[in-house]
Amino acid sequence: DAMVIQNPRYQVTQFGKPVTLSCSQTLNHNVMYWYQQKSSQAPKLLFHYYDKDFNNEADTPDNFQSRRPNTSFCFLDIRSPGLGDAAMYLCATSREEQDPFFGPGTRLTVL
Amino acid sequence: QKEVEQNSGPLSVPEGAIASLNCTYSDRGSQSFFWYRQYSGKSPELKMSIYSNGDKEDGRFTAQLNKASQYVSLLIRDSQPSDSATYLCAVNDNYGQNFVFGPGTRLSVLP
Repeated sequence: DAMVIQNPRYQVTQFGKPVTLSCSQTLNHNVMYWYQQKSSQAPKLLFHYYDKDFNNEADTPDNFQSRRPNTSFCFLDIRSPGLGDAAMYLCATSREEQDPFFGPGTRLTVL
Repeated sequence: QKEVEQNSGPLSVPEGAIASLNCTYSDRGSQSFFWYRQYSGKSPELKMSIYSNGDKEDGRFTAQLNKASQYVSLLIRDSQPSDSATYLCAVNDNYGQNFVFGPGTRLSVLP
């Protein structure tokens, strides 16, 4: 089945210790998104790729970086996680102008 | 700043009743409108999309759009306990890449 896979599903890291979250898709969608969702809040777009073009939201902290080495994979790097970065991180994909299809998410805990 | 507003709830309705969820948006250029359902601890999944003024029906779910009033709603007829979830309204701009989510309305259907 075509799908969006996120690994790991649960990630625990220490304050300041870099962490990388991964997302892969078999949908062949050209747009990939990373959202951050904190408890009882809306998903907040961090950045997205339109093909290889990277689009960073203005208020995304510099602590967050992303890589998309090919169509299928996208990574979210958090260089120095703080306690405020604990959240669910959602990867989504779409064809342009269509609705995002979400992966299951990675729940990040920062100790 | 594009904004999408929803009543946070919780909205409680008895089983079998009609649940009405409302959403307003600030960007008059918005072209596409979506309702996502999100169960606790899970990722959002698309329930309805609507692009033109009027009603769109899918089983027990009806989406309504009024672009002049910048208003979109979701009606759930014959509400079931399994409908209990958070419903996120999302709005997309002309370019198809800038999805903005509302904060979500938590719906509780009481048996």
